[in-house]
Amino acid sequence: NAGVTQTPKFQVLKTGQSMTLQCAQDMNHNSMYWYRQDPGMGLRLIYYSASEGTTDKGEVPNGYNVSRLNKREFSLRLESAAPSQTSVYFCASSETREVEKLFFGSGTQLSVL
Amino acid sequence: AQTVTQSQPEMSVQEAETVTLSCTYDTSENNYYLFWYKQPPSRQMILVIRQEAYKQQNATENRFSVNFQKAAKSFSLKISDSQLGDTAMYFCAFMKNTGNQFYFGTGTSLTVIP
Repeated sequence: NAGVTQTPKFQVLKTGQSMTLQCAQDMNHNSMYWYRQDPGMGLRLIYYSASEGTTDKGEVPNGYNVSRLNKREFSLRLESAAPSQTSVYFCASSETREVEKLFFGSGTQLSVL
Repeated sequence: AQTVTQSQPEMSVQEAETVTLSCTYDTSENNYYLFWYKQPPSRQMILVIRQEAYKQQNATENRFSVNFQKAAKSFSLKISDSQLGDTAMYFCAFMKNTGNQFYFGTGTSLTVIP
């Protein structure tokens, strides 16, 4: 069972570069999320998608864009990376009826130099 | 706005002993969920236990139990018979009954000492 798969696992960018973090889930979940994890800050919600075709801002959306490509995939794009975006990024998914059961991917360690 | 506070950045416990991790939260909601998640070195986030605010009975999952004090807005996690595999970062989290946005605490790093 793959669950939630994120790619890449590690990435180093230079300031101003762009990149897309990919996320796919094989559990037929409606809801998908992107979080960032910073030391001393816990996890903070960047964007979420309650269903295919919809996206909503979370707590820290600035500097990011998302695409809910289909039910399985939810990507996160950094158009012009900044050092403040150095973080560990987690994708997660949940079923609408059991939204409290979040399934997380293994994370992407991103460093912006 | 909802806030979740974990005041213990690091804790340690001897193997087979019991440890309690603290969590407090602030909300004006009456119906909500509370969770404890475990994040081992693999970085995978794992749901440990959940509590519905409308239930007075404290949730229990094997060696893990919570002490939920709704009036005090407190939600502590007790780990009994600690095992080496319990070494991880533990996050307390809050979710309103309506909606699907989680609010996480800053985490407590737990080390189980052999």
